[in-house]
Amino acid sequence: KQEVTQIPAALSVPEGENLVLNCSFTDSAIYNLQWFRQDPGKGLTSLLLIQSSQREQTSGRLNASLDKSSGRSTLYIAASQPGDSATYLCAVLFETSGSRLTFGEGTQLTVNP
Amino acid sequence: DADVTQTPRNRITKTGKRIMLECSQTKGHDRMYWYRQDPGLGLQLIYYSFDVKDINKGEISDGYSVSRQAQAKFSLSLESAIPNQTALYFCATSEAGTGVSGELFFGEGSRLTVL
Repeated sequence: KQEVTQIPAALSVPEGENLVLNCSFTDSAIYNLQWFRQDPGKGLTSLLLIQSSQREQTSGRLNASLDKSSGRSTLYIAASQPGDSATYLCAVLFETSGSRLTFGEGTQLTVNP
Repeated sequence: DADVTQTPRNRITKTGKRIMLECSQTKGHDRMYWYRQDPGLGLQLIYYSFDVKDINKGEISDGYSVSRQAQAKFSLSLESAIPNQTALYFCATSEAGTGVSGELFFGEGSRLTVL
């Protein structure tokens, strides 16, 4: 079964810290991987999309990397701010999934002032 | 205005009632999806549609049906709601590709409570 795992489930850091969120997946045959942010009671906002041929994508203070062979992706957040507090979800499109994304359960991030 | 709009945003209903959740989008995307989110289970795909004449079952389609009325509209129905269908429901869209989904865009969600 193709699975996506995010560890830790929750993370609390002081403002200003650089931090890394982890995503692992069980099958290296993927089309792409997408990172989302979800605020409480809200929808998901796409942060970064990495195609299988890419190693990383950057947007502002966010940098996502992809290592298909090891089945891992990381989301790096630089100089964290209280406004970054949210749940971050990783989703993978496996080649044999019939165009269906598989989501991790997310990491709940709290950035303390 | 949001690119992907869901109505209603909140709904409380009773067991056995028929419920329809509606989704409309202004992104011009061909592909639309319905997901369900439960605490501890993440997001699960209910149904998806790659164009107006295309409907596909997802991981958890039992107890649900969908209708793609137009490119911009995709509705989800619960014919006879039951309490374990209490969840947060999301509609999403993406551009068409050669068998590969691009970036996914979500609506704000519809919170359904079945008593």
